[in-house]
Amino acid sequence: DAKTTQPNSMESNEEEPVHLPCNHSTISGTDYIHWYRQLPSQGPEYVIHGLTSNVNNRMASLAIAEDRKSSTLILHRATLRDAAVYYCIGMKDGGGSNYKLTFGKGTLLTVNP
Amino acid sequence: EAQVTQNPRYLITVTGKKLTVTCSQNMNHEYMSWYRQDPGLGLRQIYYSMNVEVTDKGDVPEGYKVSRKEKRNFPLILESPSPNQTSLYFCASSPTGIGINEKLFFGSGTQLSVL
Repeated sequence: DAKTTQPNSMESNEEEPVHLPCNHSTISGTDYIHWYRQLPSQGPEYVIHGLTSNVNNRMASLAIAEDRKSSTLILHRATLRDAAVYYCIGMKDGGGSNYKLTFGKGTLLTVNP
Repeated sequence: EAQVTQNPRYLITVTGKKLTVTCSQNMNHEYMSWYRQDPGLGLRQIYYSMNVEVTDKGDVPEGYKVSRKEKRNFPLILESPSPNQTSLYFCASSPTGIGINEKLFFGSGTQLSVL
């Protein structure tokens, strides 16, 4: 997996946008960037993923830098339910013995009312 | 409802007493995996399975065993638990484990304490 670096924690206010950064300078050309989040006392859940272009879904948007060395997860209007640990992961294509996923420490997002 | 089910949710045991944590998925997924989560260390993969009777080590396999006799079940076995295996454990599955477009589905976790 590509090594990723995220801030330990971030804080936001409710109803405001949140931009969660991730650096993945060692990413290869075929590595996808996946984001998961883990709500308190729950297992991680999928948020979004992408390769080169920006991606949107009902949960969030993913902006990937042109050089692919960094990406940003965007929550357009943070709610209290978005308070969680967010993990950025580089997933290597090919599977098999390469399918070892290391989630790292992630970013703890706090949302203030 | 599509889900990954782990049991038990909480488990307290003593050193050396064999235990099994069960994991079952109802999505007909081929790929299943076990993780442990420790404070400050994030999620680390223990074992994974690409299909029935096919298993392989993750990053921290020492002290654990797994088996995959049927597609839906992937139990985690601790033959002789030790206190350093006290952790929060998660089971996960995905359709094939090969496609980079696939999502991982996680269970709710098992909090294990070994005294």
